[in-house]
Amino acid sequence: DAKTTQPPSMDCAEGRAANLPCNHSTISGNEYVYWYRQIHSQGPQYIIHGLKNNETNEMASLIITEDRKSSTLILPHATLRDTAVYYCIVRSHGSSNTGKLIFGQGTTLQVKP
Amino acid sequence: KAGVTQTPRYLIKTRGQQVTLSCSPISGHRSVSWYQQTPGQGLQFLFEYFSETQRNKGNFPGRFSGRQFSNSRSEMNVSTLELGDSALYLCASSLVGGPSTDTQYFGPGTRLTVL
Repeated sequence: DAKTTQPPSMDCAEGRAANLPCNHSTISGNEYVYWYRQIHSQGPQYIIHGLKNNETNEMASLIITEDRKSSTLILPHATLRDTAVYYCIVRSHGSSNTGKLIFGQGTTLQVKP
Repeated sequence: KAGVTQTPRYLIKTRGQQVTLSCSPISGHRSVSWYQQTPGQGLQFLFEYFSETQRNKGNFPGRFSGRQFSNSRSEMNVSTLELGDSALYLCASSLVGGPSTDTQYFGPGTRLTVL
C-alpha cells in the first residue's frame, strides 16, 4: 500500500471548517483513500473513503486531487468533540491485503473554543 | 445495529501469564481483524480471520495467536506475557466484499497492562 504523509498537528477554531491534508504521491490506480479518527483511548472511528471522486457524508467531505496524489478531509463546522487524531490510510482491496489497515502517525487536530 | 464489542475492557496480568481477549463483530460481518496500539509503535496489524481461517498476518511473534468461531466471534491469545505487551488491543470487523462493503469498524478496545 502507498505511504501517506500528514502534518503531525493542526489547530482549528470551533465552528470553522477543519481542512486536514494528506499526501499519497505513490498511490496506485486500485488504491482507495480512507480516513479514520481516534478520540483519546477509544477505537478508531471510520469517517469516509473514496477512490477518485469527491465524497461527502454526514460527517465530512473528502476531496481527492485529479492526479490522486493528495487529498483533504473537510470537517465543515468543527466542534470540540472533533478533537482527535485523524488517520489517512491508502489501501487496496486485493486478496493479499485482506483485513489490513496500515496506520501512520496521523494528524492531531485540536479544536479550540 | 450494535457495534463491535470487546471483552474485557481492562485487564491486568503479570509477566509470564497468558491472556485471552474476545471480540464480537457487527451482526453479519464475517471478517475480524486485530490490532495492537502502543505509544511507541502506534497502531499495528496483528492478524485477520474470515470463515474461521486466518487469511492475513502481521509481523508479530508466535506468542500472539487467534481464532474465529462459526458465528464470526473471534478471540486472540497472548502467551508468556512480556512487559512490552502492555497495549490497547483493538478488534475491527467488516462485511468483506467490494470496496463499499470492506470498511472496517472498530471496537472500543481492551486495555492490557502487564506488570
